Amino acid sequence: QQQVKQSPQSLIVQKGGISIINCAYENTAFDYFPWYQQFPGKGPALLIAIRPDVSEKKEGRFTISFNKSAKQFSLHIMDSQPGDSATYFCAARRREGSTLGRLYFGRGTQLTVWP
Amino acid sequence: DTGVSQDPRHKITKRGQNVTFRCDPISEHNRLYWYRQTLGQGPEFLTYFQNEAQLEKSRLLSDRFSAERPKGSFSTLEIQRTEQGDSAMYLCASSLGNRDRGLGALHFGNGTRLTVT
Repeated sequence: QQQVKQSPQSLIVQKGGISIINCAYENTAFDYFPWYQQFPGKGPALLIAIRPDVSEKKEGRFTISFNKSAKQFSLHIMDSQPGDSATYFCAARRREGSTLGRLYFGRGTQLTVWP
Repeated sequence: DTGVSQDPRHKITKRGQNVTFRCDPISEHNRLYWYRQTLGQGPEFLTYFQNEAQLEKSRLLSDRFSAERPKGSFSTLEIQRTEQGDSAMYLCASSLGNRDRGLGALHFGNGTRLTVT
């Protein structure tokens, strides 16, 4: 069972546009929601992360919006650039017990930014 | 480069052979994780260590898989009697487990791509 559901599977955006990727979860025990960026042949790299006590976090062109009641969170990439073309994964972590630190990943969104 | 290092980067093996992968985490990180990633999917958790103790194993980790972290530094993942279904990217990650600021901030290596023929 997929703990974190991610959409869309692929996304094509023109340079300068806004890329939006959405994720949803059911487990209310999740307390940490990171986004990872992965280029071909590389491991995932942490991009930005949020905790459920805030509704938005912004770092440069990347923003996470978090809706605790809807159990949804999204990544917004402003002024998308060709160099942003990569696969993006949302993830979530449970807060309790020995599973602390284990991440549950979505299936990924392949973003292509056209010049 | 002080990131997570994995060796080898690629491994091709015949079905039934044993393979072993190595991971060197970021030196001050006490938590080490193994994940598996297949094409078009997100990473799936296999197991993790805090120092030398293996604290959790996924049901994905069959009896043919074993992981060790003997001195709380590097780790090895061994797959015995490999099957074609084991073909995947095996990712290692590390994190700080004793500071709230570091929890969840997994730092991944570039993985070992295993192909079982």
